[in-house]
Amino acid sequence: TQLLEQSPQFLSIQEGENLTVYCNSSSVFSSLQWYRQEPGEGPVLLVTVVTGGEVKKLKRLTFQFGDARKDSSLHITAAQPGDTGLYLCAPYILTGGGNKLTFGTGTQLKVEL
Amino acid sequence: DAGVIQSPRHEVTEMGQEVTLRCKPISGHDYLFWYRQTMMRGLELLIYFNNNVPIDDSGMPEDRFSAKMPNASFSTLKIQPSEPRDSAVYFCAARDRVTDTQYFGPGTRLTVL
Repeated sequence: TQLLEQSPQFLSIQEGENLTVYCNSSSVFSSLQWYRQEPGEGPVLLVTVVTGGEVKKLKRLTFQFGDARKDSSLHITAAQPGDTGLYLCAPYILTGGGNKLTFGTGTQLKVEL
Repeated sequence: DAGVIQSPRHEVTEMGQEVTLRCKPISGHDYLFWYRQTMMRGLELLIYFNNNVPIDDSGMPEDRFSAKMPNASFSTLKIQPSEPRDSAVYFCAARDRVTDTQYFGPGTRLTVL
């Protein structure tokens, strides 16, 4: 069983602060997706990273894929209350993963005024 | 397109009763996934279909769970008999093969008393 860890589990910050959340595994990922889930809704795709070392930016969100494709991070600059939600990483795992994603348990982010 | 539609949105039932959850995927998306989400275990894949054929049901917890996809526009997840530990939010997702994006429905919140 591949172990996928997201950290921190919970994060509560003030508006305007910066933060980074992490997604780590001992397995190599063929690619990785980040989703955000708001209360009462299903997860929504934010980004897909494919190449080791890749960095993608989505407004104030910066996503990085580790060189060895075993980890990823999401950095949010100047967080806003609208960023509140559950952030899930979901890799396609290289060996035996097939066409299915494996979701981490997520980082619950709360941004307060 | 209305996106992935799930029904019911909420279901409360008593232990031992049969529960049927329904999903209408996005037209043209040939992969359909059923997930279960709990606080303790996060988002777990139960089963997925490709072109209406079940491909991987290794996540189905036990024989009480079954899923069908009789055609490209409809799928069901059935629990018989239901138990309190089945209480969770169940999501259906459809995958766009071109963009590799999974579109989640709003989920069904199941409570088994």
